[in-house]
Amino acid sequence: QVQLVESGGRLAQPGRSLRLSCAASGFTFNNYGMTWVRQAPGKGPEWVAAISHDGSHEYYADSVEGRFTISRDNSKSSLSLEMNGLRTEDTGVYYCARDGIEPWSTLYYFDSWGQGTLVTVSS
Amino acid sequence: DIQLTQSPSFLSASVGDRVTITCRASQDISRYLAWYQQKPGKAPKLLMYVASTLQSGVPSRFSGSGSGTEFTLTISSLQPEDFASYYCQQVNGNPTFGGGTKVEIK
Repeated sequence: QVQLVESGGRLAQPGRSLRLSCAASGFTFNNYGMTWVRQAPGKGPEWVAAISHDGSHEYYADSVEGRFTISRDNSKSSLSLEMNGLRTEDTGVYYCARDGIEPWSTLYYFDSWGQGTLVTVSS
Repeated sequence: DIQLTQSPSFLSASVGDRVTITCRASQDISRYLAWYQQKPGKAPKLLMYVASTLQSGVPSRFSGSGSGTEFTLTISSLQPEDFASYYCQQVNGNPTFGGGTKVEIK
């Protein structure tokens, strides 16, 4: 079955950098777009960034554009999120999710999610 | 960005009740809307997409309707496992989520 496992979340100071990873298994990774969604404590989900199945297109929320970079390594079935210039408002649980309704498409319907990794930005 | 407003924010109901949650978009999004269920400490789970298409494995007591700016999620007969938070999400451009509806036991 589809499995997504995030890692890399921790406490970081404002202005510092952090790299999150997501290991995928149970499906043909290079057939699907992937995304990062975050959720601040007690708040609803917020879409952060997405990448097409082949890595040729990246999409970002305005709140992270220019600071975060999404990438993927299809040979290793892995997804990453490089976060620079962290702000306190970046605090939350970060989920990787599969854009899984249609292969090779970016539809933003997220049918499989990891368990999340907690990022806390505080001095 | 397109804003989504869910109502109510909190809903108290009993097992067997029919429950309806509304999601309003700040502009026309056609039928580009999904619904998710989230339980405490867990990731969201996709219930519905393209407004009314039931995701595989989701019980048929869940249904969705609407188009344009107004959408509804209906649970025809609330079950114990349905007590959770529900979020709508629009995908007409950069995706955004609604503020959520928490369904609690009456």
